[in-house]
Amino acid sequence: GAGVSQSPSNKVTEKGKDVELRCDPISGHTALYWYRQSLGQGLEFLIYFQGNSAPDKSGLPSDRFSAERTGGSVSTLTIQRTQQEDSAVYLCASSSTGIRTYEQYFGPGTRLTVT
Amino acid sequence: DAKTTQPPSMDCAEGRAANLPCNHSTISGNEYVYWYRQIHSQGPQYIIHGLKNNETNEMASLIITEDRKSSTLILPHATLRDTAVYYCIVRVNNNAGNMLTFGGGTRLMVKP
Repeated sequence: GAGVSQSPSNKVTEKGKDVELRCDPISGHTALYWYRQSLGQGLEFLIYFQGNSAPDKSGLPSDRFSAERTGGSVSTLTIQRTQQEDSAVYLCASSSTGIRTYEQYFGPGTRLTVT
Repeated sequence: DAKTTQPPSMDCAEGRAANLPCNHSTISGNEYVYWYRQIHSQGPQYIIHGLKNNETNEMASLIITEDRKSSTLILPHATLRDTAVYYCIVRVNNNAGNMLTFGGGTRLMVKP
């Protein structure tokens, strides 16, 4: 079946511009996560959506970052007034609420470069 | 979540078994051992997890010591496509987020 998809795969933007990154989770998965990964670094948690509950935004690094999840499916991560330190790979993952709840399935990521 | 320690890198010959160790001496009784891997330029991929019993799936085997302070991920017949960074994580399974935190991992290089 289809996995997690993300778009665009690469995004180059100028400092100060806003960007939107999209994630399509696996159909039926109620949990959705956004992470980012800087070059050669581990994962940095950003935000977590679970069903209709209020999202866990505890990982968002600043108020320039926000995310939405419409209809319990597609999610958009928005970065306003981008800065060079925002350059990273942004990864989306989803998981189900069935027996295999705690496995997260990742998308290929969006590589963001802020110039 | 408990901290894990892994060797930074390992080599393995193609077709041979790759045995990747992980120390987690401060693991709590309700924490699971998870393994993920990340192939270059791809998102992380779940491999296997376990609590105290050894586990096997189509990708790998997980051997957890009786005291649960360490574990070994075994790729029985490594291929060149198994070259990746392998992450060992210990975490509680609950509904409070389950967000992942990766440490340095082990960079496995499978050589022909």
